[in-house]
Amino acid sequence: GDSVTQMEGPVTLSEEAFLTINCTYTATGYPSLFWYVQYPGEGLQLLLKATKADDKGSNKGFEATYRKETTSFHLEKGSVQVSDSAVYFCALSDPTTDSWGKLQFGAGTQVVVTP
Amino acid sequence: DAGITQSPRHKVTETGTPVTLRCHQTENHRYMYWYRQDPGHGLRLIHYSYGVKDTDKGEVSDGYSVSRSKTEDFLLTLESATSSQTSVYFCAISESPGKPNQPQHFGDGTRLSIL
Repeated sequence: GDSVTQMEGPVTLSEEAFLTINCTYTATGYPSLFWYVQYPGEGLQLLLKATKADDKGSNKGFEATYRKETTSFHLEKGSVQVSDSAVYFCALSDPTTDSWGKLQFGAGTQVVVTP
Repeated sequence: DAGITQSPRHKVTETGTPVTLRCHQTENHRYMYWYRQDPGHGLRLIHYSYGVKDTDKGEVSDGYSVSRSKTEDFLLTLESATSSQTSVYFCAISESPGKPNQPQHFGDGTRLSIL
């Protein structure tokens, strides 16, 4: 079945550092890919998405490019802030094999940004 | 923010007792989902609903049942709670899950502890 693998955390960075969180996937069809963010005590919020190969999703300074050849969707931000401290989840849904929009999540990566 | 309310937000109960969690939405979305979040596993789908009285099992449905008698309410029941069901439970909604421009929106979660 479909699956998502993302790098283990926690990732600890200093403010203004460059952030990369790796995400790779396996899927039988043609999935859409998502990054969700979870701030402490809150639910998940959609950060960005990409629906086909070579699409780049971007939001709040974060970017991720859908790479079909490497089955990857790595999240990047050029200069992190303390307010970016959160747990980040990579996820996929595959409308070609599932009509109900079920999401498959990675395990999540905690990011801690220090001043 | 999507109008999703989960109740209760926190609950502590004992093994063997029944527990019902409620998800209430004001968006009139057709699709609703229950996930559980556990360290190292990300979020895993328990059950989902694609309409009133239409529900189906997800990846980790054993020990859980659901009901949806109205569009706005999706109930998750643990018939006889076990310690392995200690988790954070999230409800999500979607208008049209096959369309990536309409991704899932999440509630703030219910933290359930079973002693």
